[in-house]
Amino acid sequence: EVQLVESGGVVVQPGGSLRLSCAASGFTFGEFTLHWVRQAPGKGLEWVSLISWDADRTYYADSVRGRFTISRDNSKNSLYLQMDSLRTEDTALYYCVKVSPRYSINWYYFDSWGQGTLVTVSS
Amino acid sequence: ERVMTQSPATLSVSPGERATLSCRASQSVSRSVAWYQQKPGQAPRLLIYGASTRATGIPARFSGSGSGTEFTLTISSLQSEDFAVYYCQQYNTWPPGNTFGQGTKLEIK
Repeated sequence: EVQLVESGGVVVQPGGSLRLSCAASGFTFGEFTLHWVRQAPGKGLEWVSLISWDADRTYYADSVRGRFTISRDNSKNSLYLQMDSLRTEDTALYYCVKVSPRYSINWYYFDSWGQGTLVTVSS
Repeated sequence: ERVMTQSPATLSVSPGERATLSCRASQSVSRSVAWYQQKPGQAPRLLIYGASTRATGIPARFSGSGSGTEFTLTISSLQSEDFAVYYCQQYNTWPPGNTFGQGTKLEIK
């Protein structure tokens, strides 16, 4: 069974930094592209970032590019999101998401979701 | 960027009845559409991919159809556990961007 467990969400002041982590199990971690998707309170789903299975390629939503950095450690089955220069509009539940099929970066659907970690940016 | 528009925003249906949810793409996305269900306090769950293929463990009362720009999710006989928010997503575009529809809330009539 695929499991994705996010951690690291806290209350942080505007301009602050935070690092989210996602511990994965139940699948061959190094074969799948992984994503972060967020959901602001009471709102819809917003794609944030992706990283290819080999960490060679990363992409970001315009709203976070230059402030967030996605990374992964395939030896630890872990995904990360470094969040800098945080803004109030970054307040959201952040989901770690696995896609299918394997080895795909440009054609995929989200087949497994973590339970999310809440980031609140507030003074 | 291919924009996905869902309708209606809210759908009120009685248990046991059929629910039909729509999703329209601003440009053709072939059959590269997935549907997700999200219940309050839970993460989204994959229901349908490839426009009509049910994900593992999804009951047969859920079905998807469509191609090109028009897609439909049908729930044939609503159960109490089906009342939730449903999102469509297209995956026929590159570079990546926000590919989700805005969601349809399915509520009990």
